Amino acid sequence: EAGVVQSPRYKIIEKKQPVAFWCNPISGHNTLYWYLQNLGQGPELLIRYENEEAVDDSQLPKDRFSAERLKGVDSTLKIQPAELGDSAVYLCASSLNKVGELFFGEGSRLTVL
Amino acid sequence: AQSVTQPDIHITVSEGASLELRCNYSYGATPYLFWYVQSPGQGLQLLLKYFSGDTLVQGIKGFEAEFKRSQSSFNLRKPSVHWSDAAEYFCAVGEGTDKLIFGTGTRLQVFP
Repeated sequence: EAGVVQSPRYKIIEKKQPVAFWCNPISGHNTLYWYLQNLGQGPELLIRYENEEAVDDSQLPKDRFSAERLKGVDSTLKIQPAELGDSAVYLCASSLNKVGELFFGEGSRLTVL
Repeated sequence: AQSVTQPDIHITVSEGASLELRCNYSYGATPYLFWYVQSPGQGLQLLLKYFSGDTLVQGIKGFEAEFKRSQSSFNLRKPSVHWSDAAEYFCAVGEGTDKLIFGTGTRLQVFP
């Protein structure tokens, strides 16, 4: 069974540039999450989807961050414009509606110069 | 507000030694508790979870954890550490359905 796939694995951009991350969850998993992981910290939830509906986006900085999950499968997280403080790892995870049993991708590491 | 504390940022053990990683939580009701492991360059993987019932839970890779309500703790243990256990370990508490709050992690280093 294929796991959660994220791309790109690494991205280096200059500040004020846009960036997008893509996530393909495990087949059949209806819940999808985007987490932010700063260096030396635990993951922090940015947004959670149930199918195509964003059910928890309270921690998503909506002035520059946006996300979508068209057709309730793949998802894209976008930052525009990026700031230096956005340098972090962006993790995608999916689950089959079981509390806490999240399956994580390898993450997308963003460096903003 | 719910929170998780992992007091140890970095732990070093010798291969074959026993291991205990500490986790304390703050949560009003009976919590859902989890341990995840993150190897370098890898995604987080669920080691074990506690929802209810037996307070000693067994997980993958020979790990176990014990829920102690009186101490608000959910410490992770392994009787004999292998070099491949070197990784970052995260404790998490489930806030309602499907929302996890993670601790800051404990980095485990294993010496031969």
